[in-house]
Amino acid sequence: SQTIHQWPATLVQPVGSPLSLECTVEGTSNPNLYWYRQAAGRGLQLLFYSVGIGQISSEVPQNLSASRPQDRQFILSSKKLLLSDSGFYLCAWSVTTNTEAFFGQGTRLTVV
Amino acid sequence: TQLLEQSPQFLSIQEGENLTVYCNSSSVFSSLQWYRQEPGEGPVLLVTVVTGGEVKKLKRLTFQFGDARKDSSLHITAAQPGDTGLYLCAGAPNDMRFGAGTRLTVKP
Repeated sequence: SQTIHQWPATLVQPVGSPLSLECTVEGTSNPNLYWYRQAAGRGLQLLFYSVGIGQISSEVPQNLSASRPQDRQFILSSKKLLLSDSGFYLCAWSVTTNTEAFFGQGTRLTVV
Repeated sequence: TQLLEQSPQFLSIQEGENLTVYCNSSSVFSSLQWYRQEPGEGPVLLVTVVTGGEVKKLKRLTFQFGDARKDSSLHITAAQPGDTGLYLCAGAPNDMRFGAGTRLTVKP
C-alpha cells in the first residue's frame, strides 16, 4: 500500500533562518506531488506541484522554493523565513492531477 | 485556473440539524471531489462525483453533482459532533486546486 511521510510535525524557526521540509511517498512510482499552505481556519493554497523529477510548477511567487531530487521525494525550502511564512504545510500525492489526493499529516511552522 | 467558490464559509449548528454546503464554479468539470479535514490533519477524500446529476450517499451525507457539472452540494442529515471539520471541494481538471472550504461546527 502507498504511504506518505512528512516531517517534522511542528517547527519553530526565527525570522531569517532557512527552512527545509521533506515529504516522501512509498509504494507508488512517478506520483504527482504537491505542497500546500493553510492559514489558520482557511482553505488550502497550492504552492507547488510536480509531475516528475525536476519538474516543478510554482503557483504563487513568494519566499519559498521546491525541489524533487528523486521520484518520490519532494522538498520545500526557504533561504530566509518571514513571519508571513507561518502556517500549516501539507504535502500530498496523486496518481494524476485529476484523481484522489492523499495527504501527509502536515507540518505546523511558526516563524518567530 | 478554474475557481471554486464554497459557501457558506462558516456554519455552526446544533446536533440533529440538517445542513447543505455548496461548491460552485463558472467552469465545467469532468469530476469533482469532496474532502473533509479535521484539525491538525490532512484532508481525506469523502467522495468523487463524475456524472452530471449524479447523487451519491455516504451514510448521512448526500453529494450531488450539478447537471451542467459546474457545481456540487453536500447535504448532511441529522448532523453529529463528529461531522465537525473543514469541508473542501476540488474539481478536475484543475491541478488539485481546492475551494476555500466550509468550516462546520456541530454543537452537542
